[in-house]
Formats: sequence, structure tokens, C-alpha cells
Amino acid sequence: KNQVEQSPQSLIILEGKNCTLQCNYTVSPFSNLRWYKQDTGRGPVSLTIMTFSENTKSNGRYTATLDADTKQSSLHITASQLSDSASYICVVRPSSNTGKLIFGQGTTLQVKP
Amino acid sequence: SQTIHQWPATLVQPVGSPLSLECTVEGTSNPNLYWYRQAAGRGLQLLFYSVGIGQISSEVPQNLSASRPQDRQFILSSKKLLLSDSGFYLCAWAGGGTDTQYFGPGTRLTVL
Repeated sequence: KNQVEQSPQSLIILEGKNCTLQCNYTVSPFSNLRWYKQDTGRGPVSLTIMTFSENTKSNGRYTATLDADTKQSSLHITASQLSDSASYICVVRPSSNTGKLIFGQGTTLQVKP
Repeated sequence: SQTIHQWPATLVQPVGSPLSLECTVEGTSNPNLYWYRQAAGRGLQLLFYSVGIGQISSEVPQNLSASRPQDRQFILSSKKLLLSDSGFYLCAWAGGGTDTQYFGPGTRLTVL
């Protein structure tokens, strides 16, 4: 069964600190893996996208890594800001169908001053 | 530029009442359209998707239905709401040939 599991479920850090969010998936084969940021009460917004052949992708202070061998991805946030408080969702698109994404349950990050 | 709208933003409905949520997309043609539900502390669950007018695919059995009367309009409906229908409903669109999905602002539905 295709699954995407994220950890931790929630995380609290101080402003200015770094953090890393994890995503493990069993989807195989897959087309791409995305990280979305979802502010409370809003729709998700795409942060990064990586194909199976890519190892890393950056978007400002966000850096995503992908290890297709171990089926793991991480999202590293550098020098966190209060506005980083949100849910971060790992999403995998299988190669076997079109447009149907598999979503992780998300990690809720709270950045405190 | 493309924009996606959903309304209403919030809705409180009694059990057994009907439901109609609307999603419209501007600035693109022939988009793929999606309805998702996000329960508290859960991941997004795909409910319906549509690749064209009148073409609806249902992902999970439920008392909800979807319709696409126009190219850029996607409607989520129910004849009788259940308590379990409460959640955050998100509409998304993707351009033909791409799989990047862009999400709307969502509708918070509470069924009492």
C-alpha cells in the first residue's frame, strides 16, 4: 500500500533556530516528491519538488533532500522565523497514475519568539 | 495569473441539511480540478477529481457528490450532511500536462 509517513507530528522551536522534518514513503515507483507549507486555515502552497533523480532542492531558507534508496526525504529550515509556523506536508506522486497525490499527515511547526 | 476561489469560507450546518460548496478557477482553461477533505490532525484525502466538464471520478464512497457544470467551476454537494462530514474542504487545480496542484483557500465546514 502506498503510504507517506511524517515525523515528528509536531515541533516547537525558538526563533532563529534550525529544524529538520522527516518524511518516509513506501510509494514505488514514484514520479516526484513535494513539500507543501500550509498556514492555519489556508490551502497548502508548494515549497519544493524533486524527481526521483534529484537529491536536494532549495527554496530560500528551505532545503529538501531526497534519498530514493532509503525512501526518505527531509525538509530543513534554516534560521527559523515566526512566519514559518505552519504545517508542512510531504506529498508523493506515484508513477502509475495521473494527478493522484499521496499526502502525509503533516508536521505542525510552531516557532516561538 | 491564475487564481482559485472557494466559498463560503466557513459554514455551520445541522445534520441532515444539504450542502453546496463552490470552487472556481480564473486565468486558465481545461484545468484538472480536485476536491480534498482534511480532518483535524489528518492528511488530505482526495474526494473527487475532474479532467473535464461533466467528468467526475470519485475516490471514496460517501454521501458527497461533485459536479463540473462549467470548465472552471467545481461544486461539492450533499443531500444530507452527517456529523462525520465536518472538516476543511480544499479545492485544487492543475494545468494539463503538469501535476503541480494549486490549492484554494478552503472551506471550514462544521456539522452540528
